[in-house]
Amino acid sequence: DGGITQSPKYLFRKEGQNVTLSCEQNLNHDAMYWYRQDPGQGLRLIYYSQIVNDFQKGDIAEGYSVSREKKESFPLTVTSAQKNPTAFYLCASSIVAGPHEQYFGPGTRLTVT
Amino acid sequence: GQQLNQSPQSMFIQEGEDVSMNCTSSSIFNTWLWYKQDPGEGPVLLIALYKAGELTSNGRLTAQFGITRKDSFLNISASIPSDVGIYFCAGSYSGAGSYQLTFGKGTKLSVIP
Repeated sequence: DGGITQSPKYLFRKEGQNVTLSCEQNLNHDAMYWYRQDPGQGLRLIYYSQIVNDFQKGDIAEGYSVSREKKESFPLTVTSAQKNPTAFYLCASSIVAGPHEQYFGPGTRLTVT
Repeated sequence: GQQLNQSPQSMFIQEGEDVSMNCTSSSIFNTWLWYKQDPGEGPVLLIALYKAGELTSNGRLTAQFGITRKDSFLNISASIPSDVGIYFCAGSYSGAGSYQLTFGKGTKLSVIP
């Protein structure tokens, strides 16, 4: 079955620690995205990547970092510089050429105390 | 940047009733997408629209791409309890090589049995 996996589902960290969220896809999509979702808000783009070894900042990239060493994987690191890291994080992927339908993983809920 | 206004913000309906929600944009899009999100899960793509005036159905769901290219509508007929969730619209304009989606803040649907 093709799809996007995110792990873990729930993550707890102490303030001041970096934490890395995993995202893997087997849809053979070129583009991958990270979004942040807060209660009552739409999805806000953190970073996106259209090709291996290249990525672009989204609207709220400060305090986050990413890497794209493999087509299938796009991990997100929430650094200690992110002032309000507690949120629901969603990873998505799409083809690059053609329709821009994005398909989402199940999400990771990060709680930082 | 582009802004999407999605309304209503929330709605409570009786089982069996029809539902309508819409999104309007400050600028034109050439793709409109509608997603549904269950609590604690990632959004699932319901309907994709690619042409102004296009009307597309998926079971009891019908969505339309507004003729001005600045709006889209989603209708759900004969609602059932499993329709409960948050519905998001998203639009994109790929004219400048950008593949980013802009999301509305969602319509939270509650169905009273």
